[in-house]
Amino acid sequence: ETGVTQTPRHLVMGMTNKKSLKCEQHLGHNAMYWYKQSAKKPLELMFVYSLEERVENNSVPSRFSPECPNSSHLFLHLHTLQPEDSALYLCASSQAGTGNYGYTFGSGTRLTVV
Amino acid sequence: GNSVTQMEGPVTLSEEAFLTINCTYTATGYPSLFWYVQYPGEGLQLLLKATKADDKGSNKGFEATYRKETTSFHLEKGSVQVSDSAVYFCALREPFNSGGSNYKLTFGKGTLLTVNP
Repeated sequence: ETGVTQTPRHLVMGMTNKKSLKCEQHLGHNAMYWYKQSAKKPLELMFVYSLEERVENNSVPSRFSPECPNSSHLFLHLHTLQPEDSALYLCASSQAGTGNYGYTFGSGTRLTVV
Repeated sequence: GNSVTQMEGPVTLSEEAFLTINCTYTATGYPSLFWYVQYPGEGLQLLLKATKADDKGSNKGFEATYRKETTSFHLEKGSVQVSDSAVYFCALREPFNSGGSNYKLTFGKGTLLTVNP
């Protein structure tokens, strides 16, 4: 596979569940990102990993927990979410520190919290 | 902080019409600027970019020119097609931590374009 792959594509979870979103990139990039896309709002940057080191956005609630075991994989662990967390979660990757490149995005995971 | 403002939309056009989607930004310095497109059910795809003032990015018939005087990066296409129906996002690239090599993209809210046959 090429590009950025996110699984699952759709997820429905209760507020007491624990689930994880997965992102995998096959581009040789060294930086990965989680964005949240909600209706009528700009994309919100949640977390950045560069060279496998987390550069955290401190405004993200602790019920979201990222993990980056290597430069190709990124996870977002979810627990005790709220209905307002329902959104499209997008993963992206880039080559950090070189030039002025944009990001490559995955197709996203559509999360519904019930 | 830095920000991006783009026209809210939705924008509805007939096929072969001229398209303009306005984008202005607020930033310190001269950040790189991007347009991304999101087709239904998909993630964002890079459409075009410009890295310095007066640069013109172009791709698939779309163009945008980096105007530092007006802090704008308006997206244009001379003749739209039904297949151009999507959400378009303007974005700027800025450092996430000062002095570091980490960057983030700050996006506008997106503009929904619908092209009718």
